[in-house]
Amino acid sequence: EVQLVESGGGLVQPGRSLKLSCVASGFTFSNYGMNWIRQAPGKGLEWVAYISSGSSYIYYAETVKGRFTISRDNAKNTLYLQMTSLRSEDTALYYCARTLFNYPRVMDAWGQGASVTVS
Amino acid sequence: DVQMTQSPSNLAASPGESVSINCKASKSISKYLAWYQQKPGKANKLLIYSGSTLQSGTPSRFSGSGSGTDFTLTIRNLEPEDFGLYYCQQHNEYPPTFGSGTKLEIK
Repeated sequence: EVQLVESGGGLVQPGRSLKLSCVASGFTFSNYGMNWIRQAPGKGLEWVAYISSGSSYIYYAETVKGRFTISRDNAKNTLYLQMTSLRSEDTALYYCARTLFNYPRVMDAWGQGASVTVS
Repeated sequence: DVQMTQSPSNLAASPGESVSINCKASKSISKYLAWYQQKPGKANKLLIYSGSTLQSGTPSRFSGSGSGTDFTLTIRNLEPEDFGLYYCQQHNEYPPTFGSGTKLEIK
């Protein structure tokens, strides 16, 4: 069974940093691109960042470019999101999501999310 | 960025009925549209991609249609487990963008 488990969320002051992790299991992590997607309270889904299977290709939403860094450790089956210079508008539930094989912008497995509150 | 406009925002229906949810892109996205279901306490679920391709495990009562800028998700013979939030998402280009969601409730 595919499982994605996020951690590292919490309450943080504006301007500070936070690092999210997502541990994957039930599939060969190193074969798949991965994404972070967020959802502000009561709002819709917003794609945040993508990293290819071997980290060669990385893309960010304009709203986080220059402040957030996506990375992965295939030996540890873990995806990361380093968030710096946090703002109140970054408050959201952050989902880790696997990319559908051969469809880099389709997310076929999601975690339950890690809550980040910037206040 | 491609703007995705989803309608209606809310929808009420009874089990056994059929419903349709619409999604309009601000420019042509060819056939590259996905549909997701969101329910409290459960992981988001991919239902359909490339406009009409059912993801493995998606029941056949779900269908997707459309191309270019206009797309529709149809659910026939609604089951109790189908109630929840539905989002469309274009996967034609970066950044992937989502519609604002449709809440499907039991009438």
